[in-house]
This record gives sequence, C-alpha cells and structure tokens, in this order.
Amino acid sequence: RKEVEQDPGPFNVPEGATVAFNCTYSNSASQSFFWYRQDCRKEPKLLMSVYSSGNEDGRFTAQLNRASQYISLLIRDSKLSDSATYLCVVNSNTGFQKLVFGTGTRLLVSP
Amino acid sequence: DVKVTQSSRYLVKRTGEKVFLECVQDMDHENMFWYRQDPGLGLRLIYFSYDVKMKEKGDIPEGYSVSREKKERFSLILESASTNQTSMYLCASSLIYPGTGTYEQYFGPGTRLTVT
Repeated sequence: RKEVEQDPGPFNVPEGATVAFNCTYSNSASQSFFWYRQDCRKEPKLLMSVYSSGNEDGRFTAQLNRASQYISLLIRDSKLSDSATYLCVVNSNTGFQKLVFGTGTRLLVSP
Repeated sequence: DVKVTQSSRYLVKRTGEKVFLECVQDMDHENMFWYRQDPGLGLRLIYFSYDVKMKEKGDIPEGYSVSREKKERFSLILESASTNQTSMYLCASSLIYPGTGTYEQYFGPGTRLTVT
C-alpha cells in the first residue's frame, strides 16, 4: 500500500465549477500535511499547508480528518489557470523534514 | 524570493558515464533534497542533507551519491549511469517558519536526464 494515495484523475470541470480532491495517508503518526501544485513540465510549488482546524485561502479550502486519515482540497469557482496536477504531501514523521508525495490528481478546467 | 537553480534543464548521457547534477540555492537554507519524478510513481526521495558535509539516504539511494561541500550547493552524482535512471530530477531546499513548525520545500526547475 502506498503511503499517500490519490485519485490520478483527470478531473474535467467547466469554469466556475467547484471541485474536490481527496487523499489518504497510511502513517497515523504524520503531523504535517500539504497540497502542492505542479504545472505541466514545471516544478511543484506549495499551494497550502493543511491544519487540523482546516484552512482557507481565497477559493481554496483544505481539510484534515485524522480519524479517517484523509486530506481534502476544495476549489471553488474554478479558473482555467487552475488546470494543473495537485500533489498531496505528508511528512514521514521521522524527526526530519522528509516528505512523502502522492502521485497527484490532474485537474483540467475548460471554458 | 527564493531561488533554487539546477545546472541543466535537459541532459543526454550514455550508459556507464558518470553524471553530475548541480543544485544551488540562494536563501541560506540548511536542508536540501534530491528527488526523481517518474510517471505513476510521483516524487521519490534519493538523498537529503541537513548541513554541510552531512547527508542521509532517502528511499531510493542505490546508484546515486551526493556531495555538499558548501551550504548553498548540493550535487547529485550518478556513478555509472544506467537506462533506468532516465528521469526528471528535482532539487529542493527548505525553510522552516519560526514559531509554527511548518516548513516549505522550494524546488528547482528540474533536470530531465535521458540515459541511452
């Protein structure tokens, strides 16, 4: 079983739609969670950290469910520019900043 | 603005060659990382370093070595390149936000290595 699992997609949505991605992780001792965004042929960039209380950044909302060991990302009012691959990332809790990356969920927003 | 640079965007090498991939960061970060990214497998950690001359193996260190002689520079070495090392190689450095315990890894643009 992979340590971090995501639906690879692609998720095809029209502009203005709301879309949600889930991600599950297997290490119950993990403490830090992130969503990274990766555009085609580019490097990953941090989109947002995910906190226990949930957090929101503009059109993006991240939630953490420790009991079920999943993380979600909600994107409201999708824009064409949101088309990218979204990587779920979890720290490995080895006492160092070792991150484990999911394989990503691809989002395609169409006009 | 954090900048992580990698020496080459594209590289083609022959089987058996020794390959050096260079990474430089300009933000005085302590920690640096080398990953490879392959379709369907995501990013996998090869090696990381938390200080000059310090290195730790990641999940897939076989066939690779690293060097960190200066804080800003972290090099990945393929001792004898093989075709299964054809991949996208990404370097990262990380910043810890004081007081929060959260951290962010900044990535370089990647080097697409093809071994023929």
